[in-house]
Amino acid sequence: EAQVTQNPRYLITVTGKKLTVTCSQNMNHEYMSWYRQDPGLGLRQIYYSMNVEVTDKGDVPEGYKVSRKEKRNFPLILESPSPNQTSLYFCASSPDGWNTEAFFGQGTRLTVV
Amino acid sequence: KQEVTQIPAALSVPEGENLVLNCSFTDSAIYNLQWFRQDPGKGLTSLLLIQSSQREQTSGRLNASLDKSSGRSTLYIAASQPGDSATYLCAVMDTGRRALTFGSGTRLQVQP
Repeated sequence: EAQVTQNPRYLITVTGKKLTVTCSQNMNHEYMSWYRQDPGLGLRQIYYSMNVEVTDKGDVPEGYKVSRKEKRNFPLILESPSPNQTSLYFCASSPDGWNTEAFFGQGTRLTVV
Repeated sequence: KQEVTQIPAALSVPEGENLVLNCSFTDSAIYNLQWFRQDPGKGLTSLLLIQSSQREQTSGRLNASLDKSSGRSTLYIAASQPGDSATYLCAVMDTGRRALTFGSGTRLQVQP
């Protein structure tokens, strides 16, 4: 089954404790991206990747890192999480990143206390 | 900067009604417009993608139209069912960007 898989689905952590949210897709898509969803602000892009070793900032990259060492994986790294990073996070992929259907993961609900 | 607006924010209808969800965007320089469905705990599911050169797309009971020049799209749902209850999101892909700009969504409740 074609899918984007995120882990964990739910995470509660403390301020400053480094964490990684994993994302994997099995569709051989070149493009992957991370979004966060907040009430009243909608979905906003954090980072994206056009291919292996090619990443770029989205609209809200501060406080986040990403890497794309393999085509299927695109982890989101929070080096020192803060409470304002409490949010619902989505990973997405698509074949080309600009004119094809986007597939989203089920989301990761992160709470930073 | 692109802005996407969805009206209404919430909608409650009895089962069987035909309904229209509206989406407007401020910059017509787009590659495509996509409609998504979001269910609690289940992420986003793509419903329809309309290329900038197209006027409409259909999938089952869903029909989406696009008027790029006026910056508008509608999602028509025929013969609504309780299983259609979800939040519907509209998103555009701007030319020159690699990010979808989303609206805030329309929360639909279909009453049995």
